[in-house]
Amino acid sequence: GAVVSQHPSRVICKSGTSVKIECRSLDFQATTMFWYRQFPKQSLMLMATSNEGSKATYEQGVEKDKFLINHASLTLSTLTVTSAHPEDSSFYICSARGPRVSLDTQYFGPGTRLTVL
Amino acid sequence: GENVEQHPSTLSVQEGDSAVIKCTYSDSASNYFPWYKQELGKRPQLIIDIRSNVGEKKDQRIAVTLNKTAKHFSLHITETQPEDSAVYFCAAAHGNTGKLIFGQGTTLQVKP
Repeated sequence: GAVVSQHPSRVICKSGTSVKIECRSLDFQATTMFWYRQFPKQSLMLMATSNEGSKATYEQGVEKDKFLINHASLTLSTLTVTSAHPEDSSFYICSARGPRVSLDTQYFGPGTRLTVL
Repeated sequence: GENVEQHPSTLSVQEGDSAVIKCTYSDSASNYFPWYKQELGKRPQLIIDIRSNVGEKKDQRIAVTLNKTAKHFSLHITETQPEDSAVYFCAAAHGNTGKLIFGQGTTLQVKP
């Protein structure tokens, strides 16, 4: 149980375009989802916390108008990278936690590798 | 702000030896401390976790200790095997928000 999926797994786009990444909890209701970014050989950096039905809370230094997060249902959160630039190229990972699984534990998606040309 | 320091950044051991990775955290409100193993290009996998009301937890070859007073927690892997080679991350979670702050990571290499 507690499986999280992400789509797409890889995406290559041109500079200036927007990219949407989906994060789904497959077998539990995720009241909270988190979005992380990981550059090569670096740690996971929390970008934002997303609670179902409310606005996301962004970490300091993360542009909310550039990284749009929507958590419209208890099983789906989306991250849209708007007007992507090469410096946005990174590994984006979501995680989810919910009321019927251990409240502390975060279950991670497989990640999305974004390459902006 | 919240911060988690992790050491060492790289660790090389012989197969069968023990490996220890240490972390310190700054936020006294942190109450949950997971450890993750990440292989290249893959998602972090939870290997063990500990909550603030417990000082030590063990699961087969893996153990974690927590010193709340000193704000230290450590991962201990005994009888290491080549398949233990990966990047290991510690993290600390804030009780109210649940958000995880990760350490910088330790690249563990187990030599056969």
